[in-house]
Amino acid sequence: DAKTTQPPSMDCAEGRAANLPCNHSTISGNEYVYWYRQIHSQGPQYIIHGLKNNETNEMASLIITEDRKSSTLILPHATLRDTAVYYCIVRVLFSGSSGGSNYKLTFGKGTLLTVNP
Amino acid sequence: GAVVSQHPSWVICKSGTSVKIECRSLDFQATTMFWYRQFPKQSLMLMATSNEGSKATYEQGVEKDKFLINHASLTLSTLTVTSAHPEDSSFYICSAAQNTEAFFGQGTRLTVV
Repeated sequence: DAKTTQPPSMDCAEGRAANLPCNHSTISGNEYVYWYRQIHSQGPQYIIHGLKNNETNEMASLIITEDRKSSTLILPHATLRDTAVYYCIVRVLFSGSSGGSNYKLTFGKGTLLTVNP
Repeated sequence: GAVVSQHPSWVICKSGTSVKIECRSLDFQATTMFWYRQFPKQSLMLMATSNEGSKATYEQGVEKDKFLINHASLTLSTLTVTSAHPEDSSFYICSAAQNTEAFFGQGTRLTVV
C-alpha cells in the first residue's frame, strides 16, 4: 500500500466545515483513496472512498487532486460527534472472489479532529 | 452499511488462560477478514489477514501459535489469545472485507490480570 501522511491533529468549530488533508504522493494507478474514522474506544467507521473523481455521500465529500497525490476529506458541517481520529488509506480493491485476497489493510497514525463548541 | 459483530465487547481473564474472540459478518459474506490490535493512543496495528478456508497470514512479529486465527466460514472468524499475559491486554478489532469496502467490528477490550 502507498504510504499516507496526515497532520496529527486539527481543530474545527462546531457548524463549520472541517477539511482534513492527506498526502499520498506514491499512490499507484490502481489504488483507491479511502477514509475511515475511529471514535474513542470503537471500531473504525467507513466514510468514503474514491479513485480520481471527487465523491460525495451523506457523511462527507472527498476531493482528490488531478495528479492524485493528495486528497481532502470535507465534513461540511462538523458536529461535536465528529470528534474522532480520521484515517486516510490508499489501497487496491479487494478481489471479492472466493478464496479471498492476500491484500492488507493497514492504518497510519491518522488525524485527531477535535470539534469545539 | 454492512454489519460486523464482534463478541465479546470486553473480557477480563487470568494470566495463563486462553480467550476466544468472535467476528461475524451479519449480512454479507466476507472472503477476507483482518485482525488488529490497538494500544492506548496508538493506531491500529494489523496482526493477521484471514482468508476463508485457508491459513491466516501473520504480520512480522506476531506469534501465530499465540494468536490462533480460524476462518472456517464466510461469515465467521475467531481469534484465540492463548496463554494470555498482562502484556496481551489491548483493544482487539476485526474487519470483514466485501468487494470495495471493509467493515469493522466494535472491538474487544481484553484485560489480563
